[in-house]
Amino acid sequence: QSALTQPASVSGSPGQSITISCTGTSSDVGGNKYVSWYQQHPGKAPKLIIYDVSSRPSGVSNRFSGSKSGNTASLTISGLQAEDEADYYCSSFSSSRTSIFGGGTKLTVL
Amino acid sequence: EVQLVQSGAEIKNPGESLTISCKSSGYSFTNYWIGWVRQMPGKGLEWMGIIYPGDSETRYSPSFRGQITISADKSISTSYLQWSSLKASDTAMYYCARRPKSSSNWALWGQGTLVTVSS
Repeated sequence: QSALTQPASVSGSPGQSITISCTGTSSDVGGNKYVSWYQQHPGKAPKLIIYDVSSRPSGVSNRFSGSKSGNTASLTISGLQAEDEADYYCSSFSSSRTSIFGGGTKLTVL
Repeated sequence: EVQLVQSGAEIKNPGESLTISCKSSGYSFTNYWIGWVRQMPGKGLEWMGIIYPGDSETRYSPSFRGQITISADKSISTSYLQWSSLKASDTAMYYCARRPKSSSNWALWGQGTLVTVSS
């Protein structure tokens, strides 16, 4: 199974909105509701920000939202803040009954 | 407090064996999946495999099948990740994480264990 496809980098100015895509296949992203997103700051453990495509864990800002269309999931961050600068990873359950990550996207807040 | 606490950093020689641990506390260990994730230096996250301590069902990602062993000891609420013969390419940070059944809610993570394999 191959890693899900994410853009290597995205950028935006404070206050703007950005969207990160995560493209897979019908065997993973397109075939189930178990898509999740993680934020990782340098030297830190990943932090779950979206699960089951669009659910937000308690304590996570409502500036983070998730969606899915076909084989592509998306993470949108609205009202960009300096602390949002981090690496972002998507993950999906797959037909092999394990999960796979995307390659990661580096978000730069200009 | 609900938490996952991983064992400390390891420095090993190639060919040596190693077991690292992930101790769960504050919740019912047998009712959640435990997953293991690799992050090589400067690289992305990779799922290695998962285990359900309630019945010991274990699933390995294709890239890691045959390379590692994941286990769990219900009596001490601890999951293990084991190598029989380390390679330099096993140098990485390893994380454990927890999710409930029928969800991708991997909200709880350990602090990570750094494994360095070098002669």
